[in-house]
Amino acid sequence: GESVGLHLPTLSVQEGDNSIINCAYSNSASDYFIWYKQESGKGPQFIIDIRSNMDKRQGQRVTVLLNKTVKHLSLQIAATQPGDSAVYFCADPYTGTASKLTFGTGTRLQVTL
Amino acid sequence: NAGVTQTPKFQVLKTGQSMTLQCAQDMNHNSMYWYRQDPGMGLRLIYYSASEGTTDKGEVPNGYNVSRLNKREFSLRLESAAPSQTSVYFCASSGQLNQPQHFGDGTRLSIL
Repeated sequence: GESVGLHLPTLSVQEGDNSIINCAYSNSASDYFIWYKQESGKGPQFIIDIRSNMDKRQGQRVTVLLNKTVKHLSLQIAATQPGDSAVYFCADPYTGTASKLTFGTGTRLQVTL
Repeated sequence: NAGVTQTPKFQVLKTGQSMTLQCAQDMNHNSMYWYRQDPGMGLRLIYYSASEGTTDKGEVPNGYNVSRLNKREFSLRLESAAPSQTSVYFCASSGQLNQPQHFGDGTRLSIL
C-alpha cells in the first residue's frame, strides 16, 4: 500500500553544523505534510508543515523542502544544537481513509559536541 | 498549559486483564486519536474520533475499544490484554481531521 518512509535511521552531526533529514512518500495524491520531533520519553511535537502548492517553507532554524516530481521532502535544521537530538518523523495526513496521519518510522538525530 | 493529558503513565498487566487508558485535551479540539508505538514500526493508528459522538477504526483496531466520552475525553479500552499489546500508547488531538496533531506523553503498557 501507500507509505511514507524515511531514508536513514540515524544521522549524526556536530553541534553548529546543519542537519538534513529526508523523507520519501509514495502517494502522488498527498498534498500536505507535517514534520514532528519526538524526544526520548515524550510524545511527538509539531515542528513545521507544508502544502503541495509550496516548494519551501521556513520556520525558526528549520526549513522544509518539497519536491513533488520525485515525491521527496526534507527537513533542514540550521546550526544544530544538542537540544535538537531526537527522532524526527514526516507524516502524511491524507494517506488512506482508515489511516489518518501515516508516519514514517523516524530518523534519529544525534548531535555531537 | 496542559494540552493532552494521558493517565496512567505506566502500567503492568497480566494476560487477560482489562484496562482503560484515559486521555483528555483542553484545547477545544474536535478530533482525537489513539496510536501505539512499537520499536521499528513507527506510530500506528488504533482508533480515531473525528468529532464528538463519532469513532472510527484505524490501522490496528483489533483487541481495542474506544469511547468519546465528551469533547474533551477519549478513552481506550483493552478488554482482555495480550502480550502483543505491550507498547507505548499515545493519544493526540487536532482542531479538525488532517490538521497538525498535539500529542500526550504516552502510556507505557507492559503485559506479562
